Amino acid sequence: ETGVTQTPRHLVMGMTNKKSLKCEQHLGHNAMYWYKQSAKKPLELMFVYSLEERVENNSVPSRFSPECPNSSHLFLHLHTLQPEDSALYLCASSRTRNYGYTFGSGTRLTVV
Amino acid sequence: GQQVMQIPQYQHVQEGEDFTTYCNSSTTLSNIQWYKQRPGGHPVFLIQLVKSGEVKKQKRLTFQFGEAKKNSSLHITATQTTDVGTYFCGREPAGANSKLTFGKGITLSVRP
Repeated sequence: ETGVTQTPRHLVMGMTNKKSLKCEQHLGHNAMYWYKQSAKKPLELMFVYSLEERVENNSVPSRFSPECPNSSHLFLHLHTLQPEDSALYLCASSRTRNYGYTFGSGTRLTVV
Repeated sequence: GQQVMQIPQYQHVQEGEDFTTYCNSSTTLSNIQWYKQRPGGHPVFLIQLVKSGEVKKQKRLTFQFGEAKKNSSLHITATQTTDVGTYFCGREPAGANSKLTFGKGITLSVRP
């Protein structure tokens, strides 16, 4: 366990489905992040939340919708995804922005 | 845009050999971070370097930040099979509203 818990670990969804990824941390961290990791590409920052306020939306398509109800929980709502959205989605948290991220184990998403 | 370059992307070494990888930035950095991701795993924070010329050691790993704060190196002495994985650097440029950008990483394999 890393201190950052992501569920589910694996998800297969059709292009018309709606699903949500969940991330939870009880490390007392103030910043939380969603990253996308595809094969042979650098980690791609999607969203940043600092003290529950979204401070970064890195030109992510609207079919990805984040939600941060409190400082310990972060969600990524998915709808009408495309096959190219298949990837490992990683949640991370840090004490302050950009300092020493703790990553979760990730959700391996496959869009069929 | 600003880029983080890691060279090379793959390296194969014999167990017991030393290994060095570099992370180069086109711009001056406020800090640089190193992460390790084991096959099938998630990135794990290793170290953060902040000061020009800073050197930090973790057992057989030595991290260095260049004098100009544009380059960093990771050196592993006498590699072991447990060192297998992908090593990422993440860099934060100076200034407000900065974000951490990751390189593609270098994947290290170790022959026993």
